[in-house]
Amino acid sequence: KNQVEQSPQSLIILEGKNCTLQCNYTVSPFSNLRWYKQDTGRGPVSLTIMTFSENTKSNGRYTATLDADTKQSSLHITASQLSDSASYICVVSDRGSTLGRLYFGRGTQLTVWP
Amino acid sequence: EADIYQTPRYLVIGTGKKITLECSQTMGHDKMYWYQQDPGMELHLIHYSYGVNSTEKGDLSSESTVSRIRTEHFPLTLESARPSHTSQYLCASRDRGQETQYFGPGTRLLVL
Repeated sequence: KNQVEQSPQSLIILEGKNCTLQCNYTVSPFSNLRWYKQDTGRGPVSLTIMTFSENTKSNGRYTATLDADTKQSSLHITASQLSDSASYICVVSDRGSTLGRLYFGRGTQLTVWP
Repeated sequence: EADIYQTPRYLVIGTGKKITLECSQTMGHDKMYWYQQDPGMELHLIHYSYGVNSTEKGDLSSESTVSRIRTEHFPLTLESARPSHTSQYLCASRDRGQETQYFGPGTRLLVL
């Protein structure tokens, strides 16, 4: 069964600190992995997208890594800001269908305190 | 910021009412999607469309229906709302050949 598991479920950090969010997946055949940021009451916004051959990708203070062998990804946030408070969702796409089916994790709820 | 819009943003209605959730995008994307998301849970695909006059059911069984008469418009209708339909509904679109789906702000539905 194709699944995406994220940890931790929730995380509280102080402003200015770094943090790392984890994503493990069993989706096969793998096409790509994305991290989305979803603010409360809003739709998800794409942060990064990585294909099989990419190990790391950065978007400002966000750096995503991918280990396709172990089927693990992480999202590292540097020098956190209050505006980083949101749910971070790992999304994996398979290439076994024309739909390009997406499998969503439940997200990690990050709260940044001043 | 993606040009995809959903209305209403919030809706509180009584059981048995018919409702339509609107979704429009101005990016000319041919692929559009409806997801249902409960608090703290993952998104579940309930409908998708590859283009005008094309609609398909997603993974999660839903009593809602959709239509795609125009490329930019993908409304979702519930003929008779029930409390079990209380959830957040997210619309998304994707251009042909692109991987990224762009999401609207969502509609939070509460059925009393």
